[in-house]
Amino acid sequence: KQEVTQIPAALSVPEGENLVLNCSFTDSAIYNLQWFRQDPGKGLTSLLLIQSSQREQTSGRLNASLDKSSGRSTLYIAASQPGDSATYLCAVGSYNTDKLIFGTGTRLQVFP
Amino acid sequence: DTEVTQTPKHLVMGMTNKKSLKCEQHMGHRAMYWYKQKAKKPPELMFVYSYEKLSINESVPSRFSPECPNSSLLNLHLHALQPEDSALYLCASSPYRFYSNQPQHFGDGTRLSIL
Repeated sequence: KQEVTQIPAALSVPEGENLVLNCSFTDSAIYNLQWFRQDPGKGLTSLLLIQSSQREQTSGRLNASLDKSSGRSTLYIAASQPGDSATYLCAVGSYNTDKLIFGTGTRLQVFP
Repeated sequence: DTEVTQTPKHLVMGMTNKKSLKCEQHMGHRAMYWYKQKAKKPPELMFVYSYEKLSINESVPSRFSPECPNSSLLNLHLHALQPEDSALYLCASSPYRFYSNQPQHFGDGTRLSIL
């Protein structure tokens, strides 16, 4: 059974810091890994999607990497801003079930 | 603004009421999803529709009844719910379902409270 874990569970940093969020998964039979952002009381916004054949994807200040063999992904946020405060969720598309399996989430607070 | 629209945004209902949640998308997506999310937890998949046919039912109790009248619209009919069903209900869509490498687009959800 695919299990997805994110560490840390919560993170509080001052504005301007570069930071890394971690995601690990137990079954490497995945077809993609996605990173989402969720603001309080809102839905999920897709940030980056990495296909299983890719190593990384970039969008603006965000960079996500994927190491399928070790079951790990990282989301790098450069020069963090208070507007980046949200919960970040990773999700893997698992071949065995053909559905997204979500991680436990990292709650990020960036203070001025 | 999200491209997946959910109504209502908030719903309070008693355990004997019947109500429906509505989800609409006009992106031409052929896969649509219902998720349930409890506070500080990740979303849990409930149902998947592919080309207007029910593709996945994650052993959801029968008091939740999904319906996909057309390719743009997804409903979730609620009846005789329990207090533990209080949650944020999220709808999502994607171009297609099977091993899709296109991201799912989520609505802002319906916050449901059962009295």
